Amino acid sequence: KQEVTQIPAALSVPEGENLVLNCSFTDSAIYNLQWFRQDPGKGLTSLLLIQSSQREQTSGRLNASLDKSSGRSTLYIAASQPGDSATYLCAGLSGANNLFFGTGTRLTVIP
Amino acid sequence: SQTIHQWPATLVQPVGSPLSLECTVEGTSNPNLYWYRQAAGRGLQLLFYSVGIGQISSEVPQNLSASRPQDRQFILSSKKLLLSDSGFYLCAWSGGANVGDTQYFGPGTRLTVL
Repeated sequence: KQEVTQIPAALSVPEGENLVLNCSFTDSAIYNLQWFRQDPGKGLTSLLLIQSSQREQTSGRLNASLDKSSGRSTLYIAASQPGDSATYLCAGLSGANNLFFGTGTRLTVIP
Repeated sequence: SQTIHQWPATLVQPVGSPLSLECTVEGTSNPNLYWYRQAAGRGLQLLFYSVGIGQISSEVPQNLSASRPQDRQFILSSKKLLLSDSGFYLCAWSGGANVGDTQYFGPGTRLTVL
């Protein structure tokens, strides 16, 4: 069974700092790896999706990488802003429909 | 554009009472539909998914059931709630044409069982 781990569980950074969130998974046989953002009490917003054949995806200030051989993915956020404060979740798709989620990293960007 | 709705937004129910949470999707046809639960301090867990009307797959044994009476409607139910059913329930959909299509999530329902 796929297990997904995210480190750190919580992170506080001053505004403007670049940061990296880490995600590791135990089963490298994934179809894709997705990063989501969750605001308190809200649903999830998809940020980036990396297919198993890809190594990275970029969207604005966000860059996600995938290394299947080592079972790792990172989400890089450049020039962080207070509006980036949220919980960030990574999820690996194992099987056609089963997304396995990590427990998330709660990010606080301090103005 | 596609939208996904869930209701109610919050719900407080006594132990042993029934449950019905509804999820509907607009702007797409024949979506794959999913129910997830996020318990306090734990990650999201897939409960059920459906690839078509009347087709339900369960990922974990539990006190809950799911039904898909219409193409874009997904219902999560229980006959008798347990304290352990408390959590944040999220519905999601994907296009289903290709394995690994992005899943889009609804706003969620926060269920508290007392």
